[in-house]
Amino acid sequence: EAGVAQSPRYKIIEKRQSVAFWCNPISGHATLYWYQQILGQGPKLLIQFQNNGVVDDSQLPKDRFSAERLKGVDSTLKIQPAKLEDSAVYLCASSLSSYEQYFGPGTRLTVT
Amino acid sequence: AQSVTQLGSHVSVSEGALVLLRCNYSSSVPPYLFWYVQYPNQGLQLLLKYTSAATLVKGINGFEAEFKKSETSFHLTKPSAHMSDAAEYFCAVSAPNDYKLSFGAGTTVTVRA
Repeated sequence: EAGVAQSPRYKIIEKRQSVAFWCNPISGHATLYWYQQILGQGPKLLIQFQNNGVVDDSQLPKDRFSAERLKGVDSTLKIQPAKLEDSAVYLCASSLSSYEQYFGPGTRLTVT
Repeated sequence: AQSVTQLGSHVSVSEGALVLLRCNYSSSVPPYLFWYVQYPNQGLQLLLKYTSAATLVKGINGFEAEFKKSETSFHLTKPSAHMSDAAEYFCAVSAPNDYKLSFGAGTTVTVRA
């Protein structure tokens, strides 16, 4: 079974630029999560989707971050404009309505 | 609300020695607890989980953890470390019927030959 796919794996941008990350979850997984992992910290949940609806986005900085999951499959996370403190690894995970979340390899973002 | 604290950001062990990673939780409801491992440049992989069944949980790669309510702990152990165990380990907690995970800051394990 194919795992969670993410692209790009690495991205370097200047502050105030915009960036987008893409996630393709495991086939059939209804729940999709985006996490932010800052160096030296554990992952922090940004947003959770159930199919194409948002379940929880309470920790998403909505003034600059947005996410969508069209058709309940792939998802895109966007940052506009980026700040230096957005430098982190962005992890996507999916689950089949269970406690076991399957994580992708992440996208490492560096904002200069 | 649920949270976890991992004691020790770095642990160094000799190959063949016991691995002990500490995790204490805080939860207003009976928690579900998890240990994840992250190898360099990879995503997180579930090692084991406690979801209110047996308090001693066995996971992959020879790891196990014991839920101790009186100590609010969920420490991870492995009797004999291998070089391949070098990675970062995260403890996480969620509430029953809530799939959202709250992670600790992680513990990096290095294994000495």
